Amino acid sequence: DTAVSQTPKYLVTQMGNDKSIKCEQNLGHDTMYWYKQDSKKFLKIMFSYNNKELIINETVPNRFSPKSPDKAHLNLHINSLELGDSAVYFCASSQDLGTSGAYEQYFGPGTRLTVT
Amino acid sequence: QKEVEQNSGPLSVPEGAIASLNCTYSDRGSQSFFWYRQYSGKSPELIMFIYSNGDKEDGRFTAQLNKASQYVSLLIRDSQPSDSATYLCAVTDDKIIFGKGTRLHILP
Repeated sequence: DTAVSQTPKYLVTQMGNDKSIKCEQNLGHDTMYWYKQDSKKFLKIMFSYNNKELIINETVPNRFSPKSPDKAHLNLHINSLELGDSAVYFCASSQDLGTSGAYEQYFGPGTRLTVT
Repeated sequence: QKEVEQNSGPLSVPEGAIASLNCTYSDRGSQSFFWYRQYSGKSPELIMFIYSNGDKEDGRFTAQLNKASQYVSLLIRDSQPSDSATYLCAVTDDKIIFGKGTRLHILP
């Protein structure tokens, strides 16, 4: 049974388009994250949500907007896609921040976004 | 700026030997330390975490933390070809920061 799932697995689109990536976790965790892993494999946190509230919002363009309809879901919407947005995007979840399990993260399979 | 440094490798280790992976971090206030394994084309997988100075063992894996030296390491005993992957060190205080990873290659 999949713990953290993402859709789609692959996304190929043209510059200027708007796209969304969906993430769901069935671990009962309170905190969810979005990461970007670039071509050099550097994994960088973008957003963190705790109980549907934005906790961390790193310096990312405002074209990226996370949305959390409930604590099991965290979606990522990207407007006006650019070539530099091409990367693998990972969703992750963990127990509540401030607990001993915080940051013991479980990652989804990733979404490979290619912007042409 | 807070940083987590790892040698990118590749680190080549003969099968059956001990693989030693190292990580240094810049923020002395860091609280928690993690090692993730990432196979090519796959997502990171948590394999070890350590919060206190000293050693923590789990099967063939040992994490070592020295907060005074701002240094955390991962030892893999009896290395297997299936251990070939990129190992990411992660450090947290108010947020998590990942190193760029060390590629480990176990030679059969």
